[in-house]
Amino acid sequence: SQQGEEDPQALSIQEGENATMNCSYKTSINNLQWYRQNSGRGLVHLILIRSNEREKHSGRLRVTLDTSKKSSSLLITASRAADTASYFCAHQKIQGAQKLVFGQGTRLTINP
Amino acid sequence: EPEVTQTPSHQVTQMGQEVILRCVPISNHLYFYWYRQILGQKVEFLVSFYNNEISEKSEIFDDQFSVERPDGSNFTLKIRSTKLEDSAMYFCARDVSGNTIYFGEGSWLTVV
Repeated sequence: SQQGEEDPQALSIQEGENATMNCSYKTSINNLQWYRQNSGRGLVHLILIRSNEREKHSGRLRVTLDTSKKSSSLLITASRAADTASYFCAHQKIQGAQKLVFGQGTRLTINP
Repeated sequence: EPEVTQTPSHQVTQMGQEVILRCVPISNHLYFYWYRQILGQKVEFLVSFYNNEISEKSEIFDDQFSVERPDGSNFTLKIRSTKLEDSAMYFCARDVSGNTIYFGEGSWLTVV
């Protein structure tokens, strides 16, 4: 099985609602990072959360990390149509080089 | 956000041809990466480049691939003899202090 799994694979909600996306991984990590990707575009960095942190906020974004369950969640509050995109989590392992291991991503659609 | 400029934004090439993708990161950062994303799939690590040497590479990064930083500024990915399955978006990325990894807008490669 692949490391870095997001669920749901696709999420469709109404504008103004909150969107929650989850991510799991299999190894011990140094940090976990969330990215947004609009269709056919580059990866935009959203938040980095370190293994010794449990929660971080950035504007309407809230990220949690549970290292005992090897999982993370991304919450987008008061969603907007412009939040429509794919969201990926990616983790860096503790040992070894700095590479990121990506999940499959969640396709989020915000309906106006 | 530190900028990573990639060229070309899109390239169409015939199978068997050589392709060079370029990345111009801001200087004074040691870690650079190439990732790729086949259409509809997750982002995959190709290679990391540290202090002008390859520090890690994936199974994807076979002998057809090479990386260079020829002039101390541009960072290139060369595919010697392209195959149909090399069609993908290729991302250059750089490591900012604190392990945050920023990606460029990507180069679409279409092999026909």
